[in-house]
Amino acid sequence: AQSVTQPDIHITVSEGASLELRCNYSYGATPYLFWYVQSPGQGLQLLLKYFSGDTLVQGIKGFEAEFKRSQSSFNLRKPSVHWSDAAEYFCAVGAGGTASKLTFGTGTRLQVTL
Amino acid sequence: DAMVIQNPRYQVTQFGKPVTLSCSQTLNHNVMYWYQQKSSQAPKLLFHYYDKDFNNEADTPDNFQSRRPNTSFCFLDIRSPGLGDAAMYLCATSETGNYGYTFGSGTRLTVV
Repeated sequence: AQSVTQPDIHITVSEGASLELRCNYSYGATPYLFWYVQSPGQGLQLLLKYFSGDTLVQGIKGFEAEFKRSQSSFNLRKPSVHWSDAAEYFCAVGAGGTASKLTFGTGTRLQVTL
Repeated sequence: DAMVIQNPRYQVTQFGKPVTLSCSQTLNHNVMYWYQQKSSQAPKLLFHYYDKDFNNEADTPDNFQSRRPNTSFCFLDIRSPGLGDAAMYLCATSETGNYGYTFGSGTRLTVV
């Protein structure tokens, strides 16, 4: 069965600083990987996804992620964080099949200090 | 704009009183999902519909049921809510083989 680990429950960064959120996955085949963001009381919004090809993927809001098969990782990065980036971030892995089911990690809460 | 709409945004129900949460979509996606998200936890898949075919996750309690009368609408029924069922319930849609999930804003369920 597939699984996702986000080792950091909570991260605090200063506005303008760089950010890296860690994600490790376990999946038997080539994974479909995703990062979602959730603002308080809201649904989840897709930031970016990796299916195949270039291992560095660009997403919305200036985010990028790098797929490293050897490390089973898919870390999310942003060069300069804005206060509006404060939210919960979820990494997810696709389970495959016709219904494209996703398994989520437990999330990392990002706090941005001014 | 095409979207996924969940109603209500907040629902308070009494312990043991049946409750129904609603999800509608204008995307014409053939797959619809219901996720349960408890505080500070990952969203957990309860079940999904692939067109009219219902697929229950193995660990979804029998207390949870779902209906999909047509492509646009999907309902989550909780027959006898317990205090442990208090959570955010998220509806999502996707097209077959396309991992482009679109989530609704969720319904926050409180059980009193």
